[in-house]
Amino acid sequence: EAGVTQFPSHSVIEKGQTVTLRCDPISGHDNLYWYRRVMGKEIKFLLHFVKESKQDESGMPNNRFLAERTGGTYSTLKVQPAELEDSGVYFCASSQEQGEHEQYFGPGTRLTVT
Amino acid sequence: GEDVEQSLFLSVREGDSSVINCTYTDSSSTYLYWYKQEPGAGLQLLTYIFSNMDMKQDQRLTVLLNKKDKHLSLRIADTQTGDSAIYFCAERGWGSQGNLIFGKGTKLSVKP
Repeated sequence: EAGVTQFPSHSVIEKGQTVTLRCDPISGHDNLYWYRRVMGKEIKFLLHFVKESKQDESGMPNNRFLAERTGGTYSTLKVQPAELEDSGVYFCASSQEQGEHEQYFGPGTRLTVT
Repeated sequence: GEDVEQSLFLSVREGDSSVINCTYTDSSSTYLYWYKQEPGAGLQLLTYIFSNMDMKQDQRLTVLLNKKDKHLSLRIADTQTGDSAIYFCAERGWGSQGNLIFGKGTKLSVKP
């Protein structure tokens, strides 16, 4: 069974540009989470989808971030326009049940904004 | 607010025991977790403990929870070079819909 995959693995963009990160959860997992780790800081929750619906987006930093999960399969996280402080590693995780303990994490996308 | 703290670095010799410590502030935490991240990989759940337990053992791993002091530890017995990684402590609060609150991670270096 394939794990959670994320694309790209690394993205380098200039301030003001747009970047779209993609996450493919494990097939059949209704719950999809986005987290972010800014250099030297904690991994912070961004938002949670149940199927195609946003269950909790309390961690989204501002309106430059837009997450979608059309069709309830893969998800995209778009940053527009990117700022220097958006640099970090963006993790995606999925789980089958909402209360399930194991969230399966992807390898992350390292975003560098210059 | 909710906060999870852990020391950033730990260095041990192969064969020794490693103890990674974590403190948290949310007294309503229901579950506490230890995740491992190897270089270039995602986070892997190592173990978790429910807040009404004080100890959980799984092979070389022992988790101790002191709920009064809000202190969680992970002990790795007979540490091997393959245990070198970043270890994250995380909590899930009461009523949470699954999102986790992580510490900054402890980088464990194991010397031969």
